[in-house]
Amino acid sequence: EAGVVQSPRYKIIEKKQPVAFWCNPISGHNTLYWYRQNLGQGPELLIRYENEEAVDDSQLPKDRFSAERLKGVDSTLKIQPAELGDSAVYLCASSLEGTNSNQPQHFGDGTRLSIL
Amino acid sequence: SQQGEEDPQALSIQEGENATMNCSYKTSINNLQWYRQNSGRGLVHLILIRSNEREKHSGRLRVTLDTSKKSSSLLITASRAADTASYFCATDRAGANSKLTFGKGITLSVRP
Repeated sequence: EAGVVQSPRYKIIEKKQPVAFWCNPISGHNTLYWYRQNLGQGPELLIRYENEEAVDDSQLPKDRFSAERLKGVDSTLKIQPAELGDSAVYLCASSLEGTNSNQPQHFGDGTRLSIL
Repeated sequence: SQQGEEDPQALSIQEGENATMNCSYKTSINNLQWYRQNSGRGLVHLILIRSNEREKHSGRLRVTLDTSKKSSSLLITASRAADTASYFCATDRAGANSKLTFGKGITLSVRP
């Protein structure tokens, strides 16, 4: 079984530039998550999708961050414009069902974003 | 905000020894999960324990949960150098808007 695939692995941009991350979840997983992980910290949820619907985006900074999950499969996360404080690892995860159903989450290897 | 707090922050042991890591949390939970993260990689799910369970085993892993003390422990027996990684506890909080909340993690180093 192929795991969660993220690209790119690394991205270096200057502040105020836009950036986008892509995630392909495990086949059949209807729940998809985007997390941000700062150095020395645990992942923090940005947004959760059930199929194509964003069911929890309370932690997503909506002034500069946007996400979409067209057709309920692949997802993209965008930052425009990027700020210095956005430097972090952006992780995508997927699971069979939402967190209420005791399903583990499967993570990709993340995109490491550096803002110059 | 992070619900779980792991203890200790860092642990260094010799190969073959047991490693015990603790996690405390603040609110009622549906379940508690432990994940491992190797450097530069994503998190890997290790074990899930439900709120009505007290102990669970998986290979060399043993997890306990004490809901009265709001704490959990992860025991890795007969550690190997390959167990070197960061370990995170994550809680699925009870409530209408529950979601998985991770602690800051424990860095485990197993010396060969």
